[in-house]
Amino acid sequence: AQSVTQLDSQVPVFEEAPVELRCNYSSSVSVYLFWYVQYPNQGLQLLLKYLSGSTLVKGINGFEAEFNKSQTSFHLRKPSVHISDTAEYFCAVSERNQGGKLIFGQGTELSVKP
Amino acid sequence: EAGVVQSPRYKIIEKKQPVAFWCNPISGHNTLYWYLQNLGQGPELLIRYENEEAVDDSQLPKDRFSAERLKGVDSTLKIQPAELGDSAVYLCASSLGRVRGETQYFGPGTRLLVL
Repeated sequence: AQSVTQLDSQVPVFEEAPVELRCNYSSSVSVYLFWYVQYPNQGLQLLLKYLSGSTLVKGINGFEAEFNKSQTSFHLRKPSVHISDTAEYFCAVSERNQGGKLIFGQGTELSVKP
Repeated sequence: EAGVVQSPRYKIIEKKQPVAFWCNPISGHNTLYWYLQNLGQGPELLIRYENEEAVDDSQLPKDRFSAERLKGVDSTLKIQPAELGDSAVYLCASSLGRVRGETQYFGPGTRLLVL
């Protein structure tokens, strides 16, 4: 069975500082990896995804993530955050040999302070 | 292009009452998903449709929950009767349904409160 662990439930950071949101997964088969962002009272929006190829993936809003197979991690990073990045961030996986069922982590609340 | 549309956005009901949620996916998207998101948690899949066929409903509590996707477009999720523990956000998502790993597009959700 697959599982996703987001190691930090809350991450407070000052504006223009760098940030890393950590995600580890467990699966007995190969997976696709995703990061979604959820702003208050809105649905989830895809930030980026890893399907294959280069392990460094660039997404929208200046975010990037790196797939590390040996450590089963897919950490999300941004070199300089803005107030508008304040939101909930979800890491998710889906099995490569199955349909699109996403298994989500519990989320990390990013709070950017001025 | 319009995104995934859900209604109502908010619903407050008494326990034991029935409730229904409606979802209109992005035009041309063959795959439709219903997820349940409890407070402080990530979404969990309830049911997945490929066109009008439910291909994964293993997580749907069938004693009180039902869903349908007539004509392979809009979908309705129903709870009857509702329980206090059903208070949550119900998210609908859709995708093209052509390749693995494709992006799922989410609606804004229906926030249900059962009193």
